[in-house]
Amino acid sequence: QSALTQPASVSGSPGQSITISCTGTSSDVGAYKFVSWYQQHPGKAPKLMIYEVTSRPSGVSNRFSGSKSGNTASLTISGLQAEDEADYFCSSYTTSSTHVFGGGTKVTVL
Amino acid sequence: QVQLVESGGGVVQPGRSLRLSCAASGFSFSSYGMNWVRQAPGKGLEWVAVISYDGSKAFYADSVKGRFTISRDNSRNTLSLQTNILRAEDTAVYYCAKDREMWQWPVRGGSDYWGQGTLVTVSS
Repeated sequence: QSALTQPASVSGSPGQSITISCTGTSSDVGAYKFVSWYQQHPGKAPKLMIYEVTSRPSGVSNRFSGSKSGNTASLTISGLQAEDEADYFCSSYTTSSTHVFGGGTKVTVL
Repeated sequence: QVQLVESGGGVVQPGRSLRLSCAASGFSFSSYGMNWVRQAPGKGLEWVAVISYDGSKAFYADSVKGRFTISRDNSRNTLSLQTNILRAEDTAVYYCAKDREMWQWPVRGGSDYWGQGTLVTVSS
């Protein structure tokens, strides 16, 4: 159950688009469409932003979008805003019926 | 509204046990799988365990298998995590999290509600 690989940090200016990658294996990210993304502000609980690779829960801005190719999933934030500054974690269901998170990516709005 | 409130955390010596609880309200608790997820201070999220909506099935992370037990009482809308043989590396904030899908097993991911967490510190 090795953690999924995410870049430690990504930054962008307001209004720009950024993409966060999440690399796993054929036993997790590459096996199913069950990749989720969470946003976490300091001292707060995580918030679900994307599920099943591309779906957004009700209330989540359409500036957030997800995709997947092979063993790598991605989260794109378009029209970057100051409130988007947070940590982002990907998560995947695995072939062992367990779950695994990525190490997290700190997004900085310049 | 959906509420998840964890309790039971504290400071415990290595090798000892602690029982964490999560009180759920605002939704049909018995219809959803539930997870425990932890976060060590300043670190990322780590999935710990999941239990089916009826409490009959569960899966665990390798790091806690054989030491932790997840359970639920649907009559009391309560989720529990029995943590035994605690180690320093178990020090973390423990969150309970509700699965997004009703009646789904195995739980495939997407926890749409989380509690605020309870801190467990394992130290001598």
